[in-house]
Amino acid sequence: AQSVTQLDSQVPVFEEAPVELRCNYSSSVSVYLFWYVQYPNQGLQLLLKYLSGSTLVKGINGFEAEFNKSQTSFHLRKPSVHISDTAEYFCAVSRLTDKLIFGTGTRLQVFP
Amino acid sequence: GAGVSQSPSNKVTEKGKDVELRCDPISGHTALYWYRQSLGQGLEFLIYFQGNSAPDKSGLPSDRFSAERTGGSVSTLTIQRTQQEDSAVYLCASSPGQGRTEAFFGQGTRLTVV
Repeated sequence: AQSVTQLDSQVPVFEEAPVELRCNYSSSVSVYLFWYVQYPNQGLQLLLKYLSGSTLVKGINGFEAEFNKSQTSFHLRKPSVHISDTAEYFCAVSRLTDKLIFGTGTRLQVFP
Repeated sequence: GAGVSQSPSNKVTEKGKDVELRCDPISGHTALYWYRQSLGQGLEFLIYFQGNSAPDKSGLPSDRFSAERTGGSVSTLTIQRTQQEDSAVYLCASSPGQGRTEAFFGQGTRLTVV
C-alpha cells in the first residue's frame, strides 16, 4: 500500500523568504501525487498535482513542486511567501485504481 | 449542488450515543471518501466508495464505525456508542473517478463527544 510522510509538522518563515515543504512517499508502483492547502477555517483545495510528464509542476498562488522518482519525493516550494500563505499543507498520493492517502500535514506560519 | 455538502456542520453528542453524518457529493462523481481530521493527526482515511465496487473500509478504526452510499450518491457515516476520542472533524470528498483525479472536499462536520 502507498503511504506519505511529511517530515515537518510546522515551518515558520518570514514574509518574502523562500520556503520548501517536504514530502516523501512509498509505493511499489507508479503513483499520482498531490498537494492540497487548507486555509484557516476553510476546506481543503487542490494546489497542484503530478500525473505524468514534466517532473516540475506549477500550481496556484506561485507554488511549484518537483517529482523526484529516485528519492521518492515531491517537495513543495515557493520562492517568496506572503502572509496569506499561512495555512496547513497536505501532501497526498494515489495509484491508478486506488484511494487517495494523505500525510499528516505541515503548518506553514508566515511572519511579517 | 455546486460542491460537496456535509451536514450537520457541527454536532455535539453525549458519550455512548449514536450519530449520523451526511455527505452529498458533487453530482456525477463516482468516487466518495470519508476522512477524519484531528489535531496533529492529519487526514486519516476512513472509507472509500468507487462506483459499484465494494467499498474500501480498511481505514475504519473500529466496528463502531460504518458507512453506506445509497444509489451511488448520498453517503452516511454512522458512529455507534460514541467515545470522547471520536471527537474530530469528519471530512467528505468526492471525485469524478479514481487514481489520477482531483478530490473535492466538503466543509466537514465537527463532532464533539461530551
